[in-house]
Amino acid sequence: EAGVTQFPSHSVIEKGQTVTLRCDPISGHDNLYWYRRVMGKEIKFLLHFVKESKQDESGMPNNRFLAERTGGTYSTLKVQPAELEDSGVYFCASSQVDTQYFGPGTRLTVL
Amino acid sequence: QKEVEQDPGPLSVPEGAIVSLNCTYSNSAFQYFMWYRQYSRKGPELLMYTYSSGNKEDGRFTAQVDKSSKYISLFIRDSQPSDSATYLCAIRRIGGQNFVFGPGTRLSVLP
Repeated sequence: EAGVTQFPSHSVIEKGQTVTLRCDPISGHDNLYWYRRVMGKEIKFLLHFVKESKQDESGMPNNRFLAERTGGTYSTLKVQPAELEDSGVYFCASSQVDTQYFGPGTRLTVL
Repeated sequence: QKEVEQDPGPLSVPEGAIVSLNCTYSNSAFQYFMWYRQYSRKGPELLMYTYSSGNKEDGRFTAQVDKSSKYISLFIRDSQPSDSATYLCAIRRIGGQNFVFGPGTRLSVLP
């Protein structure tokens, strides 16, 4: 069974540009989560989807971040416009019940 | 005070040693405890999870939870160089979905 996949693995953009990250959860997992780890800090929760609905988006830092999960399958996280402090590793995780399985992450660098 | 505290290390041990990794947490509402292992440039990989106080064993790994002290531990017996990674504790509240992560402890097992 394929695990959680994320694309791209790395992204380098300039401040003010837009970047879209994609996450494909494990097939059949209704729950999808986005987390972020900025340099030197712990992994922090961003938001949680149940199927296509946003269950909890309390961790989203500001309105420059937009997450979608159309059709309840894959999810995208768009950052527009990107700022320097958005640099970090963005992880996606999925679960059916309690156990969350993580993807390899997207390393975002904003110059 | 951070919700979850964890000594970041680095921790270096010789091959074959018993390793003890620890986290403390501040909120008694936390009731679901997980340990993840993360290799460099990879996503967190689930090692163990538990709901209750006491010990849970899986091969060379033992997870221990003491809810009265708000203290969790991961023990690794007969440590191997392949165990060299960052170990993250992750804790969730009752009724919650997202995890709160510790900053991780970087472990090096020297051959």
